[in-house]
Amino acid sequence: KNEVEQSPQNLTAQEGEFITINCSYSVGISALHWLQQHPGGGIVSLFMLSSGKKKHGRLIATINIQEKHSSLHITASHPRDSAVYICAPNTGNQFYFGTGTSLTVIP
Amino acid sequence: DGGITQSPKYLFRKEGQNVTLSCEQNLNHDAMYWYRQDPGQGLRLIYYSQIVNDFQKGDIAEGYSVSREKKESFPLTVTSAQKNPTAFYLCASRTARDATNYGYTFGSGTRLTVV
Repeated sequence: KNEVEQSPQNLTAQEGEFITINCSYSVGISALHWLQQHPGGGIVSLFMLSSGKKKHGRLIATINIQEKHSSLHITASHPRDSAVYICAPNTGNQFYFGTGTSLTVIP
Repeated sequence: DGGITQSPKYLFRKEGQNVTLSCEQNLNHDAMYWYRQDPGQGLRLIYYSQIVNDFQKGDIAEGYSVSREKKESFPLTVTSAQKNPTAFYLCASRTARDATNYGYTFGSGTRLTVV
């Protein structure tokens, strides 16, 4: 049983395209994180949100607590956005992790 | 700058040997975590520690051991009992002081290969 489902698993986009990654989860959460993992493996937390919408530069994250769904959007995508994006709901005690969406942005 | 340091980045060991992965943080975070990542799978929790001298097993603790003698340090030992130790290991920390506005910090990871 997967507590977190992400889609798509792999995504290739042309530079400048608008990108959406979706995440559905089944656990009750206190917050949801969107993480970015670069090829070297290190992880950066992009967003932590518990309601509504957050924006940071070209990245936008939204969450619908009632529907247990979150989306990560990237506007005007750039090759440096190429990475694995991981949805990680947190119950307050522990994370559940999606398997990630591998994004490749082609110049 | 504050952060988490994991060392080494790449580690090779022979089968049957114990190996210890280092995780140090200078963020004054109370809680620390160890995760394992395998290709095509999400991160899975190995052990976590909420305070010094206390730690709890996660979902896949078998074959691993940890210690938390200092707030800054949470080393993970991969023992010879771990059946498939080759993986990417990630350390994380968070402050537990403000439950309404906590944040997590992740290390850069250690890729362990057992040959």
